[in-house]
Amino acid sequence: SSDLTQDPAVSVALGQTVRITCQGDSLRSYYASWYQQKPGQAPLLVIYDKNSRPSGIPDRFSGSSSGNTASLTITGAQAEDEADYYCNSRYNNGNHWLFGGGTKLTVL
Amino acid sequence: QVQLQESGPGLVKPSETLSLTCTVSGGSITSDYWSWIRQPPGKGLEWIGYISYSGRTNYHPSLKSRVTISEDTSKNQFSLTLTSVTAADTAVYFCARLTIVGPTSDFDFWGQGTLVTVSS
Repeated sequence: SSDLTQDPAVSVALGQTVRITCQGDSLRSYYASWYQQKPGQAPLLVIYDKNSRPSGIPDRFSGSSSGNTASLTITGAQAEDEADYYCNSRYNNGNHWLFGGGTKLTVL
Repeated sequence: QVQLQESGPGLVKPSETLSLTCTVSGGSITSDYWSWIRQPPGKGLEWIGYISYSGRTNYHPSLKSRVTISEDTSKNQFSLTLTSVTAADTAVYFCARLTIVGPTSDFDFWGQGTLVTVSS
């Protein structure tokens, strides 16, 4: 499949660890990047190059990848982490980009 | 710090043409790749296409027949044109910088987005 598949919703207790996954055949060839989007805001890049964080992104955010699955892990989730999270990568042909359907993270 | 700002009409009639411009500051569109991405209300993100530092374009296959991305290097702007719009094109449209290094790529800077509604 050329799609990137994410669970629609995930919840985590405050201070606990949560993993958000993204599955797709293209992830065997291309790294995923991850975006956080809060209501009414533009997406914010939180992980790129499989497990690199842009300046200003807390180190509780990390990324990993294995086979056709990329993961975003938040270690010690905070209330402000409640948001939609999208993975992104290229199609298998390498010429076009696609996003996963998004995961709504609720921090309890 | 690269900053992007979208501008253009917020309302377009069905069958007409949607036109948006992205003004870039803190960086040059003669470097990197510059993309348009959209998000229908309550839905996920969809990549529309990009224009490269050399003016080469690349579009999402499902939109290719209706989309044109162009640039004005003198103003450090790039633009989106989408023809024959329908209600399905109603979305928040974002412009973003796309960075590509080998197998890795990411949209590292985004505009705030602009809502375009297709309605008569």
